[in-house]
Amino acid sequence: AQTVTQSQPEMSVQEAETVTLSCTYDTSESNYYLFWYKQPPSRQMILVIRQEAYKQQNATENRFSVNFQKAAKSFSLKISDSQLGDTAMYFCAFMYYGGATNKLIFGTGTLLAVQP
Amino acid sequence: DTAVSQTPKYLVTQMGNDKSIKCEQNLGHDTMYWYKQDSKKFLKIMFSYNNKELIINETVPNRFSPKSPDKAHLNLHINSLELGDSAVYFCASSQARSGVPTDTQYFGPGTRLTVL
Repeated sequence: AQTVTQSQPEMSVQEAETVTLSCTYDTSESNYYLFWYKQPPSRQMILVIRQEAYKQQNATENRFSVNFQKAAKSFSLKISDSQLGDTAMYFCAFMYYGGATNKLIFGTGTLLAVQP
Repeated sequence: DTAVSQTPKYLVTQMGNDKSIKCEQNLGHDTMYWYKQDSKKFLKIMFSYNNKELIINETVPNRFSPKSPDKAHLNLHINSLELGDSAVYFCASSQARSGVPTDTQYFGPGTRLTVL
């Protein structure tokens, strides 16, 4: 069974600084995607970034980038130039594809507070 | 235009009642999901439908019954509500096909269910 672990329940960062959120996962599969979702106080689940496991290049989306270490089964999210609007719960998620199902398996989340 | 919508956004009801939550997506996706987020913010898959066919049914009490009248709609009916059913329920959709790299899951705004 796949598992996703986020070891940092809460983090804090000053506005304009950089912060890295950690995520590790466990799987024996080779076909999968990894995601970071953001959940602000509005509770909407918003996709931040996604990484295909078969790609060696780390995904980037504007101020958000990942450090994908496949052998180590690590998938961290780096947020550069943090903004107040980045304050949210961040969830790391794993999805295996290739079978009949495509369910997301979530970590327990990291609550990020961006301080002015 | 809202991509994935849910109604209602808030639902407060008494123990023992029966209630439904509706979900609609206008993204043209063929797969829809229900996730439950508990009081500790942990998200877990409940059900998934692909083209109106049930493909994921996690260990959910049979008081929960999903129904998909067409591939754009997935409703969740809950019988005999219990205190432990209080949670936020998220609908999501994606274009998912078995064995083929799949698109990202997009989430609705969530329905906060409170059982008194």
